[in-house]
Amino acid sequence: GAVVSQHPSRVICKSGTSVKIECRSLDFQATTMFWYRQFPKQSLMLMATSNEGSKATYEQGVEKDKFLINHASLTLSTLTVTSAHPEDSSFYICSASDGQGFYEQYFGPGTRLTVT
Amino acid sequence: KQEVTQIPAALSVPEGENLVLNCSFTDSAIYNLQWFRQDPGKGLTSLLLIQSSQREQTSGRLNASLDKSSGRSTLYIAASQPGDSATYLCAAYGTDKLIFGTGTRLQVFP
Repeated sequence: GAVVSQHPSRVICKSGTSVKIECRSLDFQATTMFWYRQFPKQSLMLMATSNEGSKATYEQGVEKDKFLINHASLTLSTLTVTSAHPEDSSFYICSASDGQGFYEQYFGPGTRLTVT
Repeated sequence: KQEVTQIPAALSVPEGENLVLNCSFTDSAIYNLQWFRQDPGKGLTSLLLIQSSQREQTSGRLNASLDKSSGRSTLYIAASQPGDSATYLCAAYGTDKLIFGTGTRLQVFP
């Protein structure tokens, strides 16, 4: 149990375009979903926390107008990178939890975004 | 602000050695601590989750301990194998978020 999927696994887009990444909890209801970013040879950095039906809470330094997060249902959250630039190229990983922040998080397989 | 540090940053050992990976955190008020494995270009694989009321967890050749008072966790890998080569991440659960450590890149050579 506790499976989280992400789609797509890899995406290449041109600079200035937008790209949407989906995160789904397949066998449980995710009260809270998290989005992380990982640059090469670095650890995961939390970008934002989203609760179903509420606005996402963004970490300091993360532009909320650039990284749009929607958590419309208890099984789906989306991250849209708007007006992507090459520096947005990264590995994006989502996680889902059926409770608050200190509940165990289940991680998706990640999405590799390359902006050309 | 919680900070999680892992030592060593990289480790290269011959097959068969017993290994100790260290994780330290600055704020002892954590709920749980979790160890993950990440292969190059891949997502995270959960290895062990230690709840705050526990002191250790074991799975196969892996044993993780937690000492909240000293702000430390240790991952012990027995009889290492080339297939254990990966990056190992520890992560501390706070009230509202999970903070990841800096990672240890492990290479086990035959």
